[in-house]
Amino acid sequence: DQQVKQNSPSLSVQEGRISILNCDYTNSMFDYFLWYKKYPAEGPTFLISISSIKDKNEDGRFTVFLNKSAKHLSLHIVPSQPGDSAVYFCAASGNNAGNMLTFGGGTRLMVKP
Amino acid sequence: EPEVTQTPSHQVTQMGQEVILRCVPISNHLYFYWYRQILGQKVEFLVSFYNNEISEKSEIFDDQFSVERPDGSNFTLKIRSTKLEDSAMYFCASSVRYSNQPQHFGDGTRLSIL
Repeated sequence: DQQVKQNSPSLSVQEGRISILNCDYTNSMFDYFLWYKKYPAEGPTFLISISSIKDKNEDGRFTVFLNKSAKHLSLHIVPSQPGDSAVYFCAASGNNAGNMLTFGGGTRLMVKP
Repeated sequence: EPEVTQTPSHQVTQMGQEVILRCVPISNHLYFYWYRQILGQKVEFLVSFYNNEISEKSEIFDDQFSVERPDGSNFTLKIRSTKLEDSAMYFCASSVRYSNQPQHFGDGTRLSIL
């Protein structure tokens, strides 16, 4: 099941620079997209979300962009900080019963001081 | 900030035994979920629950699995007869309403089947 895919398993960025994490999806019924951050031995922590009626949502250092025609979303972190080092998951849900989230495989971000 | 709490953090069980994983969702949330993540694999949806009923379940959630909200605060996942392949991290989540609202996750229970 590859409905949500994160093609980069890892990303390394210098502190202060921009981190760009990418996610692709195939199911056109998805209408709500989320990014989660996960530290080892912890559960996913909600970061930011975007509805399909928007193409951009911003919250502090985090911005999510949605390109519906390309079925692509990205998370921008500016400026990146060492504490941002974690695994980032994108997830999507559609207007189906149960509101189930479909997750990507995750991208491990390493921010170097 | 309110959070979802899960107990135990680690459960070791013999194959064939019953196990109950417990969760306390965020108090004003109405929708509850279980997910699991097998080591090295994606986080997978198991079941969603609202108003004391299952809203949706995945193919993974077979007759060996059940969920219950036994009181006003707890939400449990029971695996009736565990198999080796049930070994995984199990995450509970809750959301305040159904659609276009983030689900908030607990820190998970690591289930190890011997």
